[in-house]
Amino acid sequence: AQKVTQAQTEISVVEKEDVTLDCVYETRDTTYYLFWYKQPPSGELVFLIRRNSFDEQNEISGRYSWNFQKSTSSFNFTITASQVVDSAVYFCALSEYSNTGKLIFGQGTTLQVKP
Amino acid sequence: NAGVTQTPKFQVLKTGQSMTLQCAQDMNHNSMYWYRQDPGMGLRLIYYSASEGTTDKGEVPNGYNVSRLNKREFSLRLESAAPSQTSVYFCASSEVDSVFSTNEKLFFGSGTQLSVL
Repeated sequence: AQKVTQAQTEISVVEKEDVTLDCVYETRDTTYYLFWYKQPPSGELVFLIRRNSFDEQNEISGRYSWNFQKSTSSFNFTITASQVVDSAVYFCALSEYSNTGKLIFGQGTTLQVKP
Repeated sequence: NAGVTQTPKFQVLKTGQSMTLQCAQDMNHNSMYWYRQDPGMGLRLIYYSASEGTTDKGEVPNGYNVSRLNKREFSLRLESAAPSQTSVYFCASSEVDSVFSTNEKLFFGSGTQLSVL
């Protein structure tokens, strides 16, 4: 069965600190997709990144970076120089290769960035 | 640019009452989804529709029915609401990658907060 675990329930940092959100997944599939979504206080989920299981290259987008390690079944998300606007709930999710709309979500990590 | 629109935003029901949550998207997406979000459990898929005229069960379909009215609209119905259905409900739609023919990413609505007393 597929499963996504985000062990960190809540994280609190001070602005400009770096923070890493952990994500560990389980799947028997050899091909799959991994995602991160952000849910700001407004409630709507916002897509951040999609990564397929063939591509283990790390990715950087501005202050955001993602570290995908198949050997440890992890897909961690780092925010560099955090800002108050980064305060949100972050979800890691896993999908089968053929239908990436059918997501298995982790429990979510609430990030609070204090000024 | 509306994206995915859900109505209502808030609803309170009594046990046993019925209601329909409406969802519409204006992005010409083929696939649409209903998820529920509960504290400490992330989001779980209730039903999805890969294309107009088709619907399939997700992880937690019991107590719900869906209708894909047309390409734009995908409704979720609670026939006899129960307190266990108190949750935040999200509708989503997705585009398909034209090269790999897989869904790329979900676009979510703003959610419906439902309380069943």
